Amino acid sequence: GAVVSQHPSWVICKSGTSVKIECRSLDFQATTMFWYRQFPKQSLMLMATSNEGSKATYEQGVEKDKFLINHASLTLSTLTVTSAHPEDSSFYICSAEDRQNSPLHFGNGTRLTVT
Amino acid sequence: SQQGEEDPQALSIQEGENATMNCSYKTSINNLQWYRQNSGRGLVHLILIRSNEREKHSGRLRVTLDTSKKSSSLLITASRAADTASYFCATDQGGNNRLAFGKGNQVVVIP
Repeated sequence: GAVVSQHPSWVICKSGTSVKIECRSLDFQATTMFWYRQFPKQSLMLMATSNEGSKATYEQGVEKDKFLINHASLTLSTLTVTSAHPEDSSFYICSAEDRQNSPLHFGNGTRLTVT
Repeated sequence: SQQGEEDPQALSIQEGENATMNCSYKTSINNLQWYRQNSGRGLVHLILIRSNEREKHSGRLRVTLDTSKKSSSLLITASRAADTASYFCATDQGGNNRLAFGKGNQVVVIP
């Protein structure tokens, strides 16, 4: 089956630094990937839609300069949390579709802790 | 984006029993999907039901959709300890996978 690999699985960083999270589709090409964040015991909130070769589409309330998304190839999207602060600590998850409008395949998430 | 919302349930059941979860949403949808999440992990797609469907089965899973009430239910029959997880519904309003997730139901199946 289709596999999405997310790296790193966890990261601890100091306040003010930037962190890059990678999302790779291992055995399929994904023109569209999605990024979410999830707080403990809460639901997933869609942050942005990442489109290969074009700018990401951000959901209302998500700062695009804070959460930089790059989808440079059909198998890789990256999310960079810039100048991270403790309130950015969360579980970040990506997903990808292998065919348009087909069910999504999710990565295993990245636990970000900002100290 | 709209929000699917499950009834705030934390189910604790014995192995072999059935588990039922509900989900309500607020706007029209193209489809509704159910996902499962093990603790600290990503989501696994379980089943998708389209707006013109009323019921769907997949193995031990049964999903219903009532668009007039804007609600869906997920039934897991003959539960197993391995079914212990959180279950989320997600609505797709435009048929483009921009999903709005519900709050989730935590299910614990006791062996």
